[in-house]
Amino acid sequence: EGQLVESGGGLVQPGGSLRLSCAGSGFSFSVYSMNWVRQAPGKGLEWVSYIGSTGSTMYYADSVRGRLTISRDNAKNSLYLQMDSLRTEDTGVYYCARLGAGFAMDVWGRGTTVTVSS
Amino acid sequence: SYVLTQPPSESVAPGKTARITCGGNNIGSHSVHWYQQKPGQAPMLVIYFNTDRPSGIPERFSGSNSGSTAILTISRVEAGDEADYYCQMWDTISHYWVFGGGTKLTVL
Repeated sequence: EGQLVESGGGLVQPGGSLRLSCAGSGFSFSVYSMNWVRQAPGKGLEWVSYIGSTGSTMYYADSVRGRLTISRDNAKNSLYLQMDSLRTEDTGVYYCARLGAGFAMDVWGRGTTVTVSS
Repeated sequence: SYVLTQPPSESVAPGKTARITCGGNNIGSHSVHWYQQKPGQAPMLVIYFNTDRPSGIPERFSGSNSGSTAILTISRVEAGDEADYYCQMWDTISHYWVFGGGTKLTVL
């Protein structure tokens, strides 16, 4: 079925940067579109960003456009999220998720925690 | 952008049927997916394409979608079904994946 493992989270000051990674295994990573989804403490799920299988198409939520950048390296079976100009409201758990049939997210990682605080 | 509305909470007794609603403008014309999230865990897909179950999901979980409401139905509810449930769809116009606010299901 496949597995996703996120890494790179941590504590960063407002205005700082962080780079998240997501390693895929057990499936053909290069044929799947991927997403980042986040969850603020005690809140619901919020879609963050999408990237197509080849990396040529990306979409972003309005709340992160211009500050967060999604990318992938299919040779390394890896997905990335470059996070710049971070704000306190970016705090939360960040999940990578594989996009399956019907644009449903059928495989999720366990998440990595980002804390933006001074 | 498109908005999906869920009740914040639902309660059900063990062995009974739980129905969790997800409202949206003409949602019946879209494919809706449902996720289960237990405390401290990642979300898990339980229904996709409105009615389909991924492998490993019990038949007790079913879905429907018509008009302005999609519904996740859980039959013969068990204590292990206690979780947050989220509906989700792809907004083709804005290129957004939209999540509902989530419903906390409590098994009494």
